[in-house]
Amino acid sequence: GAGVSQSPSNKVTEKGKDVELRCDPISGHTALYWYRQRLGQGLEFLIYFQGNSAPDKSGLPSDRFSAERTGESVSTLTIQRTQQEDSAVYLCASSYWTGGRSTDTQYFGPGTRLTVL
Amino acid sequence: AQKVTQAQTEISVVEKEDVTLDCVYETRDTTYYLFWYKQPPSGELVFLIRRNSFDEQNEISGRYSWNFQKSTSSFNFTITASQVVDSAVYFCALRQSFGNEKLTFGTGTRLTIIP
Repeated sequence: GAGVSQSPSNKVTEKGKDVELRCDPISGHTALYWYRQRLGQGLEFLIYFQGNSAPDKSGLPSDRFSAERTGESVSTLTIQRTQQEDSAVYLCASSYWTGGRSTDTQYFGPGTRLTVL
Repeated sequence: AQKVTQAQTEISVVEKEDVTLDCVYETRDTTYYLFWYKQPPSGELVFLIRRNSFDEQNEISGRYSWNFQKSTSSFNFTITASQVVDSAVYFCALRQSFGNEKLTFGTGTRLTIIP
């Protein structure tokens, strides 16, 4: 079946503009995760959703970052008033959630490369 | 707090050599999961393996093998008879079994296989 998809694949924006990044999880996966990968670095956790709710937002770097999820599918990560330090690859992952917890592996999308000029 | 350390930033080996990628982790949890992911030049993370903390059996999958040692908090990854297609960045990651679902990643090891 189809994997996790993300759009756009690349986004170049000017400092101060808002951007929206989209993630479509694997069908049937109720848990969805956002991570950020700066150049040459590992992945930093941003936020995860179980269904529509976000039990853990602890990784969001500032109040300029927000995310929402509609239904148990698409999620949008919004960055307001972008700064140059926001330049990174933003990765989305999804997994099954059963019995009140996520027990399965997270499968990642191809990412959105964000460049803030 | 959880932490994953991949001390090897970059490794280069000649094709057909064996190579081991190190991963050391820290956690206060008694149960947890460990993962390895591969990130080829295309950028997409590819899942390789998941290991439960209560299962210390080593695992082999083709040319890949994993050595989980709870006593030393290590989860090392060996590629036997390396191939050029193995060139990638490899990430080790840790996750609690319950409650907090996020993955804590190491900084990755860039593996280059020289033809």
